[in-house]
Amino acid sequence: IQLTQSPSSLSASVGDRVTITCRASQGISSYLAWYQQKPGKAPKLLIYTASTLHSGVPSRFSGSGSGTDFTLTISSLDPEDFATYYCQQLNSYPLTFGGGTRVEIK
Amino acid sequence: QVQLQESGPGLVKPSQTLSLTCTVSGGSISSGGYYWSWIRQHPGKGLEWIGYIYFSGIAYYSPSLKSRVTISIDRSKNQFSLSLSSVTAADTAVYFCARDDSSGYVFPYWGQGTLVTVSS
Repeated sequence: IQLTQSPSSLSASVGDRVTITCRASQGISSYLAWYQQKPGKAPKLLIYTASTLHSGVPSRFSGSGSGTDFTLTISSLDPEDFATYYCQQLNSYPLTFGGGTRVEIK
Repeated sequence: QVQLQESGPGLVKPSQTLSLTCTVSGGSISSGGYYWSWIRQHPGKGLEWIGYIYFSGIAYYSPSLKSRVTISIDRSKNQFSLSLSSVTAADTAVYFCARDDSSGYVFPYWGQGTLVTVSS
């Protein structure tokens, strides 16, 4: 299952609302997760099953979608949110990830 | 809180076998029904899932790497390992070990990653 993220990068300011999209090549119900990765670090799980917030993740992060189209929204961008975000499908093996969306400071 | 730590050579010659170990602390690798995975990231690129080994010892690999990959488990050392044969420069990547949340699909726990360069 191929996952296509858009945009591949974006520039935003602190306080902005940011939306990242992930499209699956076939329907995956709600079986999608989102991760945040900072340079030189391992990815951190943010959201799973499309909209369930992982423990300890700030409530400004939210996820939605089902089938083939999913979104990750950051309601008000915090300085620590500048990072690369990846989606991952949980529907079937082999597990696959999207190409990533880099969120940069404007 | 489970923690994972990768270890192994940072430089491997082409055609040789890449071998990495993931040491697990804060929990037993034999308990809980968890899936222990290897994931890699080519420099500046996205994430690629390599395969997993279940706590029972059953392994499953990505079809794209299946012919070259072996993942094994050493319960006495609380470790699991990755072996990737016949490496080329295309296998240069940061390799992560990770544990799922018992669903088999989601990764809340990751090692910090280790860079392996394939070069003569």
